Amino acid sequence: DGGITQSPKYLFRKEGQNVTLSCEQNLNHDAMYWYRQDPGQGLRLIYYSQIVNDFQKGDIAEGYSVSREKKESFPLTVTSAQKNPTAFYLCASSRRTGGNTGELFFGEGSRLTVL
Amino acid sequence: QQQVKQSPQSLIVQKGGISIINCAYENTAFDYFPWYQQFPGKGPALLIAIRPDVSEKKEGRFTISFNKSAKQFSLHIMDSQPGDSATYFCAASTASNTGKLIFGQGTTLQVKP
Repeated sequence: DGGITQSPKYLFRKEGQNVTLSCEQNLNHDAMYWYRQDPGQGLRLIYYSQIVNDFQKGDIAEGYSVSREKKESFPLTVTSAQKNPTAFYLCASSRRTGGNTGELFFGEGSRLTVL
Repeated sequence: QQQVKQSPQSLIVQKGGISIINCAYENTAFDYFPWYQQFPGKGPALLIAIRPDVSEKKEGRFTISFNKSAKQFSLHIMDSQPGDSATYFCAASTASNTGKLIFGQGTTLQVKP
């Protein structure tokens, strides 16, 4: 079945450590996204990529980094510079037809807790 | 101007009742308005979406009403069921980049049996 796989589902880390969250999709979608979800704040865009080897900052990119070396993969690194990293992280993808990327398909999320 | 404001934050409805969630936006360039449904521990999934050339869109028990002049849109869930208990997010984007969504704060709906 096609879909988006995020791993790990749960992750605990100590303060000051970098953490990398994995996101893989087999939907053959061009565009991929990382959102952060906090209670009462909805989903906020961290980074997005519309094509391999290119990505753009979203609204809350500080303290995060990404890479897009393959169409199907878009890992997110939460660096030690992120001041409040404990959150639920969601990866998504969408088709890209010209400028209209269409519906977002989400993974099941990764819950990061920094101790 | 990029915000989408959603209300209420939480909602409790009896089975069979109507659930109504409202959203408002400022950016007149927005022209794609989806609603996403999220169950606990899962990622959101698209429920229904509307573009501003229509004032209403219905899919089964779910209806979006859109008021372009007021810059508001709402989700109505008719005959609400316990299985509808979830968090609902409205969102908005421009047609040139419908994947770059601006989400509302979310509404947690509980439908009591």
